[in-house]
Amino acid sequence: DAGVTQSPTHLIKTRGQHVTLRCSPISGHKSVSWYQQVLGQGPQFIFQYYEKEERGRGNFPDRFSARQFPNYSSELNVNALLLGDSALYLCASSFAGGSLYEQYFGPGTRLTVT
Amino acid sequence: DAKTTQPNSMESNEEEPVHLPCNHSTISGTDYIHWYRQLPSQGPEYVIHGLTSNVNNRMASLAIAEDRKSSTLILHRATLRDAAVYYCILRETSGSRLTFGEGTQLTVNP
Repeated sequence: DAGVTQSPTHLIKTRGQHVTLRCSPISGHKSVSWYQQVLGQGPQFIFQYYEKEERGRGNFPDRFSARQFPNYSSELNVNALLLGDSALYLCASSFAGGSLYEQYFGPGTRLTVT
Repeated sequence: DAKTTQPNSMESNEEEPVHLPCNHSTISGTDYIHWYRQLPSQGPEYVIHGLTSNVNNRMASLAIAEDRKSSTLILHRATLRDAAVYYCILRETSGSRLTFGEGTQLTVNP
């Protein structure tokens, strides 16, 4: 079975632009979470969606938004990009939203903002 | 989520057991202890989790102190592929997020 897939793999954007990152969860998984990982640090939670509804939000500005589609895939949008948004963006899927369900991570999208 | 404390780095030799410690003195009764690891250039990978009792799976064992203020991830025979950053995470029963700390960088020597 395919794991979590993310696209694109790498992306280079200029300050002020916006970006859309995409994630396809493991088949049968209904929850998707997004994390930001800056070089040398652990991943930081951005959003969780379960059954197309937002179930959790981390400490990120409103420039960050996300949504989940009826097929449970998800998009992360970042507006007005800043240099500090350069990071690895990770998507994780799980069967449901609680802590009893392990999260499966994709390989991430490497975003570079110049 | 409650905070965990892990050593920044540890070293082991191939085929020897590795004990990765984690302190979580402020753990609450409903917090599960999760371990994830992140291999170079990959997303994090689930390893194991537990609440009160020790747990075993094909990847590792989790030993939880009786007062639950600390736990130890045990890799029974380290391989070169086990070289990774290991994260100890406390997660509420209904928790929607994983709160990663700095983790422990494990180096496995051949």
